[in-house]
Amino acid sequence: QQQVKQSPQSLIVQKGGISIINCAYENTAFDYFPWYQQFPGKGPALLIAIRPDVSEKKEGRFTISFNKSAKQFSLHIMDSQPGDSATYFCAASGDDYKLSFGAGTTVTVRA
Amino acid sequence: DGGITQSPKYLFRKEGQNVTLSCEQNLNHDAMYWYRQDPGQGLRLIYYSQIVNDFQKGDIAEGYSVSREKKESFPLTVTSAQKNPTAFYLCASGRLVGPGGEQFFGPGTRLTVL
Repeated sequence: QQQVKQSPQSLIVQKGGISIINCAYENTAFDYFPWYQQFPGKGPALLIAIRPDVSEKKEGRFTISFNKSAKQFSLHIMDSQPGDSATYFCAASGDDYKLSFGAGTTVTVRA
Repeated sequence: DGGITQSPKYLFRKEGQNVTLSCEQNLNHDAMYWYRQDPGQGLRLIYYSQIVNDFQKGDIAEGYSVSREKKESFPLTVTSAQKNPTAFYLCASGRLVGPGGEQFFGPGTRLTVL
């Protein structure tokens, strides 16, 4: 069974808008939560990551929000640009260094 | 140039054939991983290795085999026992320090069964 549930499956946003992707997990042993960005035909690239001792981390237009009690985390893409059109994966891992991935969200930014 | 290389980029296999996908890294990472990606699904772990000459099965190891004779190299063999091997295969590497650990991915190999 999938250890990390991701939603929505796809979303469309206007240029300049905010994209929000949500993930939920069950395993309380997870202590590392990265987000990956993947363009068609390419390998995923690490975008941003958070550990459970912080509730929010921002890098440029990308922000992770983390809610430890709800076992949820989300990615916000501010001021979305056409170049942000890609598939985004959330993931989680613990001390075994094995990542469990969500199913992915395809983001389309309309100019 | 530091990074992870995978070859070939595209691979075609006839039914009943074994094929080997190459993965090399020069990042001095201890851990290496193989994932399979199918349309509309996340990445599923096939095998991983955290030290030379040792490897562990992931969630979907049936029909696959690996070796880790060198720290830099982690080839994956897709055997004829794998019933549906057409997929995008991704190799990753990472360090085993701190909580979790980052993983970095190669460009992938697309395998098609004819």
